[in-house]
Amino acid sequence: QVQLQESGPRLVKPSGTLSLICAVSGDSISSNNWWSWVRQPPGKGLDWIGEIYHSGSTSYNSSLKSRLTILLDKSKNQLSLNLSSVTAADTAVYYCARLLVAGASGGYFDLWGRGTLVTVSS
Amino acid sequence: QLVLTQSPSASASLGASVNLTCTLSSGLSIYSIAWHQQQPEKGPLFLMKVNSDGSHIKGDGIPDRFSGSTSGAERYLTISSLQSEDEADYYCQTWVTGIRVFGGGTKLTVL
Repeated sequence: QVQLQESGPRLVKPSGTLSLICAVSGDSISSNNWWSWVRQPPGKGLDWIGEIYHSGSTSYNSSLKSRLTILLDKSKNQLSLNLSSVTAADTAVYYCARLLVAGASGGYFDLWGRGTLVTVSS
Repeated sequence: QLVLTQSPSASASLGASVNLTCTLSSGLSIYSIAWHQQQPEKGPLFLMKVNSDGSHIKGDGIPDRFSGSTSGAERYLTISSLQSEDEADYYCQTWVTGIRVFGGGTKLTVL
């Protein structure tokens, strides 16, 4: 059974860097899938953040690209998210998700983590 | 522009059926979408992928009560024999190269 587990600090100060880890079990991050981050501000809908392929190729939401880094750690079978210069608008539940490839242009999220709430506040 | 439009809310009675709609923006009627369910205070759950020809592929363990279909640029999620645990937010999602997009979600209330 494939599981995704997010972890990291729950509180980040404004202008700081939000850092999260997603530990993957039951599947290899070197498989033919993209590994993604999605967030959900309190009371709002889902927003795609970005994703990474086992080759290291990344695709980022253009609105976050200048502040965002997603990396893979193959030795630990996990991916990470770093979002710099955060503000209160970055307060959200952050989800790790597996993107199943469905053609050359991308695919759909077929597996989700439970998510972790990160609050940006001083 | 890649936009998915969903009605903010829907309601139906226990045991009844309901159709939720996701509309693809103009010119994108050939696109596939995925449906995700989010129960209160939980993470999303993948329900199914719906193709432009109406065929669909469901996630593991998704009951037969859930089905998908297509008409033009509209993608439907039909839930029959509604149960109380079906009360949730439902999101559609699609993709183009380098971009993943979600609809705004439909909050389903089971009466």
